[in-house]
Amino acid sequence: GAGVSQTPSNKVTEKGKYVELRCDPISGHTALYWYRQSLGQGPEFLIYFQGTGAADDSGLPNDRFFAVRPEGSVSTLKIQRTERGDSAVYLCASSKPSVSSNEQFFGPGTRLTVL
Amino acid sequence: DAKTTQPTSMDCAEGRAANLPCNHSTISGNEYVYWYRQIHSQGPQYIIHGLKNNETNEMASLIITEDRKSSTLILPHATLRDTAVYYCIVRVARNTDKLIFGTGTRLQVFP
Repeated sequence: GAGVSQTPSNKVTEKGKYVELRCDPISGHTALYWYRQSLGQGPEFLIYFQGTGAADDSGLPNDRFFAVRPEGSVSTLKIQRTERGDSAVYLCASSKPSVSSNEQFFGPGTRLTVL
Repeated sequence: DAKTTQPTSMDCAEGRAANLPCNHSTISGNEYVYWYRQIHSQGPQYIIHGLKNNETNEMASLIITEDRKSSTLILPHATLRDTAVYYCIVRVARNTDKLIFGTGTRLQVFP
């Protein structure tokens, strides 16, 4: 079946611009996560949704970052006034409800470059 | 969630077993050990998880010490496609929760 998809695969923008990154989770997965990964580091948690609501947004670095999931499926990560330090790979993952496991299925990521 | 310690890098010959260690000395009684791997330019991929018993699936085996302070991921017959960064993560297996990744072990499988 289809896995988690993310668009675009690459995004180059200029400092100060606004960007949107999209994630399509696996059908039926109620939980959706955003992570970002800088070069040489492990993924860093940003936010997770249970259904339409953000259950934990403690990883968002500041108020320039915002994410939505209005219908409980597709999610969009929005970054305002981008800075060079926002350059990273942004990963999305989804998971289904389980009492014994929490296997997260990751997408291929969006590589964001801020010039 | 408990902190984990892994070697930065390891090498393994193709066809041999790759044994990847992880220390998690502060693990709590309700925390599981999870392993994910990340092949270059891909998202992380779940491998296996366990609480205290050894586990095996089609990808790997997980050996957890009796005191649960360390574990070893075993790839029984490593192939070149197993070259990746392997992350050991300790967390409570709730319905949904974030993963906290360290820097992992970079496994290089050579011919």
